[in-house]
Formats: sequence, structure tokens, C-alpha cells
Amino acid sequence: QVQLQESGPGLVKPSGTLSLICDVSGDSISSPIWWSWVRQPPGKGLEWIGEVHHTASAHYNPYLESRVTMSLDWSKNQFSLNLSSVTAADTAVYYCARVSSQYSGTSLSRAFFYWGQGTLVTVSS
Amino acid sequence: QSVLTQPPSVSAAPGQKVTISCSGSSSNIGNNYVSWYQQFPGTAPKLLIYENQKRPSGIPDRFSGSKSGTSATLAITGLQTGDAADYYCGTWDSSLSAGIFGGGTKLTVL
Repeated sequence: QVQLQESGPGLVKPSGTLSLICDVSGDSISSPIWWSWVRQPPGKGLEWIGEVHHTASAHYNPYLESRVTMSLDWSKNQFSLNLSSVTAADTAVYYCARVSSQYSGTSLSRAFFYWGQGTLVTVSS
Repeated sequence: QSVLTQPPSVSAAPGQKVTISCSGSSSNIGNNYVSWYQQFPGTAPKLLIYENQKRPSGIPDRFSGSKSGTSATLAITGLQTGDAADYYCGTWDSSLSAGIFGGGTKLTVL
């Protein structure tokens, strides 16, 4: 049974850096799959932040790319999110997720089969 | 504003059928598979449908998905009060090289 658990500060000051860790159990981050971050501002919809592959390559949301970094810690079986220069607009519940991804011909299938419970990060002074 | 368009809300009575639409373009739904998620307040989303129409283990067959062109549809039959939740579609956008979600649809079971 794959389980994911987010952890990190619940409060970050404006202009600071938001740093979260996702602890993975029941699977290895060295598996040939993608590990993703998704966020949800209070009362709003889901927003894909990005994903990191077991090879450490990554894809980021183009609107956040200049501020986002994702990485893997193979020794701890964890992956992380860093979001810099935060503002109140970055206040959200942040979820980590395991992505199932494969091509069928030229069509890409991507689905988030496993999710963490989410952690609320508030940006405020 | 989301790249994928969903109706903000839908409603139906218990036992009835409801459909939720998800409209996109050739760079996303038109050329890639769609997944659907159910979310209750204060909880993480849960995968309902992947690859347009497949259900993960444990998802009842009252939930079904379909895709035609640049639009996808989630159908729920035999509505139950416990189905009241927010529903999101998601896919990959090949032009953006990014994952995308619809804005979400709130289902009310009257």
C-alpha cells in the first residue's frame, strides 16, 4: 500500500521560501515514475505545480517555473518542493502525489493514483 | 482561469443520473487521456477514472467516463447522497508540457 505524507512549516513569511517534504512508503522513489505536487488555495480548485522523475528530471507549471524547484532524496525515500518569493497568493493546501504515466501511441496517460493528506501553508507576516 | 472548462455546479435527485462535462482543446483532451477525481471537503482528491474510462479497483461501476474529440464526460448513475462532492477532470497539455485540471464541479444531491 503506497502512502505519502507531506511535512513542513505551516506559516511562511512573504518573500520567503516555502519548503515541503513528501515522505513515501510502500514504494521507492527510484521507481521509473513521476512524483508530483498539486496545490489548492482555500475555496478554489486544484493547481498542478510540477513533478520530478526518478532520474531527477522535472516538469514545472510554466506560471510557477521561475520560482519552483523539486528534488529527490533517495536515502530517505522522500521528494521535496521549494517555492521561492512567496506571496499571499501562494497560500494553499499542498498535496504530494504519485503519478501513473504511460504513452499509448502518441497519447499520454497521466493519473494521480495516490495522494498525501495535504498540508496547509499560509503566507503571512 | 482553468485551461479545462467544467460547469461550476450540477444537481440531481437521489437515484437519478448526472453528467459533468470537461471541455478542452487539441493540445490537451484532444490528444491525451483524461482522468477524473472526487474530493470531499477537507480531504485529498481521490481518483475515480483514468485513461478516459477505466476505473481503479474499488470504484463502483456507477461512475463512468467517456471522451469525444476535445471534451470528456463523467457520468454518475444511481445517485446517492454520499456522492455530493467536488469533481475535477485532469489531463496533460502537450503545448504547455504541463499537467492541467478543470476548475471543478460541485455536485449537489437534492
